[in-house]
Amino acid sequence: DAGVIQSPRHEVTEMGQEVTLRCKPISGHDYLFWYRQTMMRGLELLIYFNNNVPIDDSGMPEDRFSAKMPNASFSNLKIQPSEPRDSAVYFCASSQYSLYTEAFFGQGTRLTVV
Amino acid sequence: AQSVTQPDIHITVSEGASLELRCNYSYGATPYLFWYVQSPGQGLQLLLKYFSGDTLVQGIKGFEAEFKRSQSSFNLRKPSVHWSDAAEYFCAAFSTGNQFYFGTGTSLTVIP
Repeated sequence: DAGVIQSPRHEVTEMGQEVTLRCKPISGHDYLFWYRQTMMRGLELLIYFNNNVPIDDSGMPEDRFSAKMPNASFSNLKIQPSEPRDSAVYFCASSQYSLYTEAFFGQGTRLTVV
Repeated sequence: AQSVTQPDIHITVSEGASLELRCNYSYGATPYLFWYVQSPGQGLQLLLKYFSGDTLVQGIKGFEAEFKRSQSSFNLRKPSVHWSDAAEYFCAAFSTGNQFYFGTGTSLTVIP
């Protein structure tokens, strides 16, 4: 397996635009996580899915953020409208069987909102 | 509140020297504990994990960590650091509340 694949690797957008980040988890993994990493706040869990169902979205900062997992091989995280303070690295991770088995991380999407 | 603390923001060691990165957790019960490493521009890679049993766990790349319940600590160690170990290191814990918490990270610089 190629691991967790995220796209794009880098995204630069203007304030107010919609941004979509994409993730393909490792095949067979039941859990998918979205994290945000900033210098100020470190790594924050935004939302996680189990078997394509959102389980906990309490980490999603605002209604401008939404995430979906339409099938077992794809998830996206949308920000609409984007703001400069959303600039961060967004990581997707997946794990098998449960929350506390090893989570495999993608390489991240570096988002810059200007 | 549940939390993971990494007291050292940045550490510099000489190549070949020993290394210890500190991690403390604050939970009611023993959480599952992890150490991840992040190289520049990369995602996080699991170094090792502790669930139960032997309190000294071995990981990849020559790393080990020791769980000490009395100190609520899970410090990462390596006897001899290599230049390629320069990276950001994250301690993480999973709690029974189904939350995965990361520490703020420790940046490691290795000097020749």
